[in-house]
Amino acid sequence: GAVVSQHPSWVICKSGTSVKIECRSLDFQATTMFWYRQFPKQSLMLMATSNEGSKATYEQGVEKDKFLINHASLTLSTLTVTSAHPEDSSFYICSASNPQGLNTEAFFGQGTRLTVV
Amino acid sequence: GESVGLHLPTLSVQEGDNSIINCAYSNSASDYFIWYKQESGKGPQFIIDIRSNMDKRQGQRVTVLLNKTVKHLSLQIAATQPGDSAVYFCAETRDSGGYQKVTFGIGTKLQVIP
Repeated sequence: GAVVSQHPSWVICKSGTSVKIECRSLDFQATTMFWYRQFPKQSLMLMATSNEGSKATYEQGVEKDKFLINHASLTLSTLTVTSAHPEDSSFYICSASNPQGLNTEAFFGQGTRLTVV
Repeated sequence: GESVGLHLPTLSVQEGDNSIINCAYSNSASDYFIWYKQESGKGPQFIIDIRSNMDKRQGQRVTVLLNKTVKHLSLQIAATQPGDSAVYFCAETRDSGGYQKVTFGIGTKLQVIP
């Protein structure tokens, strides 16, 4: 099946710094990718939809200036957490759908564990 | 600080027994449903899907049932094994501006007792 890769898997950063997370579709082109955040023992919450070549669409309550999304190519979307604070510590997961696929299954990356200290 | 929110319900099942995990969805316009398995520290893994024009679909050891009348979805796992221990999420998708927007349910933690 299709593969979506995230990097890094783990990151620890100091409060006030920015962190970039990459999401790559390895064997298909994804015009649309999705970014989720998951707190411990909770479900995945959609943060934003990343569209190649255009601005991302953010869900209600998600600060676009805090979580910068860039989808510069058909295989790469990046999420930058700017001026990170401890409350931003979470598990961030991306997904992508293969528009050429037989169904609309979304493939997920392995996630990035962000810890802000 | 501690996050506030719903905590995952837990289902404990004896190894070899069948498991049934339930999910209620909210949007009657959703046309495609997926069950995902998530192991600790990993991203969700596709298990099985079903379209809204179906009420049952079977895979290897798993069956998904869809009741559109009451907006209910269930995942049945036959002969549950220790490797099935994980958190299971149902997800509903609907077309949103040309792409499929996926919304996840709360999730259920499955614990298999050896």
